[in-house]
Amino acid sequence: SQQGEEDPQALSIQEGENATMNCSYKTSINNLQWYRQNSGRGLVHLILIRSNEREKHSGRLRVTLDTSKKSSSLLITASRAADTASYFCVAGNGANSKLTFGKGITLSVRP
Amino acid sequence: EAGVAQSPRYKIIEKRQSVAFWCNPISGHATLYWYQQILGQGPKLLIQFQNNGVVDDSQLPKDRFSAERLKGVDSTLKIQPAKLEDSAVYLCASSLGGLNQPQHFGDGTRLSIL
Repeated sequence: SQQGEEDPQALSIQEGENATMNCSYKTSINNLQWYRQNSGRGLVHLILIRSNEREKHSGRLRVTLDTSKKSSSLLITASRAADTASYFCVAGNGANSKLTFGKGITLSVRP
Repeated sequence: EAGVAQSPRYKIIEKRQSVAFWCNPISGHATLYWYQQILGQGPKLLIQFQNNGVVDDSQLPKDRFSAERLKGVDSTLKIQPAKLEDSAVYLCASSLGGLNQPQHFGDGTRLSIL
């Protein structure tokens, strides 16, 4: 896999607002995954989007993938305080199942 | 389904001592991973097992770290002797294996070296 570059590094929003997080990568991919990590906990897999998909939804999450721009975005709608966490994107190149994590995005949702 | 279990949750030792972490993956998951996560950074893969064989240990400091996965189920990660820079959270993850399978993480062991 290759490391995704997440942007912004930190994001603070009010409860109920939408949060958009971006990820860019360098070489061609097989899939892209997003993970969430709450403070003091392990990572939780949120969603996987394959290279031949453009958009995917899961509950309040919407992920898009633009392979021409080598970028992905994660949208969380109607954010809640419980969404406060670090979010990581990981790009899989299809060679193996190894994941290479970047520093992630710290999302703070204010009540 | 039960998640990935890790113990202990916290460990405090002095430098040059040894320490061991234990992981029980999700039943049926062939692939097991150990990660090191230093504060403020993303997890870094230390070692990956497929059943009881090592697939990737390129980032494991083999002079002090060792890991095993006997019988292809539980795994232990050991550090001997510990250094100050080993202070981190050690995460275990498991997956069914394959390219598009998500990894499932335990809550980790937070190691503090005095």
